[in-house]
Amino acid sequence: DVKVTQSSRYLVKRTGEKVFLECVQDMDHENMFWYRQDPGLGLRLIYFSYDVKMKEKGDIPEGYSVSREKKERFSLILESASTNQTSMYLCASSLLTSGRYEQYFGPGTRLTVT
Amino acid sequence: AQSVSQHNHHVILSEAASLELGCNYSYGGTVNLFWYVQYPGQHLQLLLKYFSGDPLVKGIKGFEAEFIKSKFSFNLRKPSVQWSDTAEYFCAVIDVSGTYKYIFGTGTRLKVLA
Repeated sequence: DVKVTQSSRYLVKRTGEKVFLECVQDMDHENMFWYRQDPGLGLRLIYFSYDVKMKEKGDIPEGYSVSREKKERFSLILESASTNQTSMYLCASSLLTSGRYEQYFGPGTRLTVT
Repeated sequence: AQSVSQHNHHVILSEAASLELGCNYSYGGTVNLFWYVQYPGQHLQLLLKYFSGDPLVKGIKGFEAEFIKSKFSFNLRKPSVQWSDTAEYFCAVIDVSGTYKYIFGTGTRLKVLA
């Protein structure tokens, strides 16, 4: 089974702090994704990466950056956390193979910024 | 811009009732389509997918979906729901002829009454 793990299930940070969210997958997937999930808004893509050191902006990249130094690890960075970044953050991974694009999700990190 | 619409935001059914959740997307290229489910307190997981061939696809737990290309639709169905189907359901589309970008719908919360 594919396993996607995220470093924290719950995180509380103060406004202005730098926040790191880590994601690791163990199935050698090329693609990795960061989403935020908010009630009534579904999943919104923040960034994705299709290879080491490659990244692409999603729909809502403002206020976020990412790092992918190793294939299995994809980090989301909030440079200066703000209260409107309070949300559930989901990491996912997938293959880059035709017909096998389904995503595998981690358990999520519920971030509260006070 | 590409989008995915799920018209039913909240659905309440009694056990044994039939279920149909609508999903429409706005993209004319080649797509793969997915339904994901999130049970209370659990990860998002794949319910079923369509990428080619028979437009009627079957997934786990008795769910099925039909891809109707002319209507840009991929509706999810189950003939008889159970209390354990209470969850949030997300439709998703990936453009495989261009951006390879995933887009999720806003989700449908299903509550099944015992």
